[in-house]
Amino acid sequence: DTEVTQTPKHLVMGMTNKKSLKCEQHMGHRAMYWYKQKAKKPPELMFVYSYEKLSINESVPSRFSPECPNSSLLNLHLHALQPEDSALYLCASSPGPSSGANVLTFGAGSRLTVL
Amino acid sequence: SQQGEEDPQALSIQEGENATMNCSYKTSINNLQWYRQNSGRGLVHLILIRSNEREKHSGRLRVTLDTSKKSSSLLITASRAADTASYFCATAGSAWDTGRRALTFGSGTRLQVQP
Repeated sequence: DTEVTQTPKHLVMGMTNKKSLKCEQHMGHRAMYWYKQKAKKPPELMFVYSYEKLSINESVPSRFSPECPNSSLLNLHLHALQPEDSALYLCASSPGPSSGANVLTFGAGSRLTVL
Repeated sequence: SQQGEEDPQALSIQEGENATMNCSYKTSINNLQWYRQNSGRGLVHLILIRSNEREKHSGRLRVTLDTSKKSSSLLITASRAADTASYFCATAGSAWDTGRRALTFGSGTRLQVQP
């Protein structure tokens, strides 16, 4: 299995809703990432988990809450979002710190619309 | 935060022509990678070049790296309509070995290959 699976593919939520994005990989990768991508812009790093521990948080607002329940799963919990948070949210994984290079495998993304 | 700029921002060519995209970055790097993204989808890794390499080939792809100028180029030869996508360079910084294992993406080039 060489895939990163993201669910849901599309999500529409109101500003008072609580929802979660999910990401799963079975490649044995030990690093997992959340990126946010606005239209016609490059992906921007949000969070990095390394060996299930949060290693990088790029000053993301607390309305985004990541969780890594185990080495295969990564969640992004969403609460009280703003319309400007509408974007494509990309999950990625990589072999981890013991590998010589950090080649990322991306999921297809979750398209989030906040009304 | 965005590491560098790519040019051109958009490129339109005919099938069979070569496409060249350039990437400039700001800080010292461990390696530089190129990714491709079809519209609204996840990114796919194309090729990696290490900081001590100057040129690398993979199929119809040729990547060069000039660390003195902090720049890289991606050449796609004999382009096909299926090459239509956005192309991003991504850098892994010199903080790699200290655990800051995350890629920073350039601004991207949107390539349109006309059949």
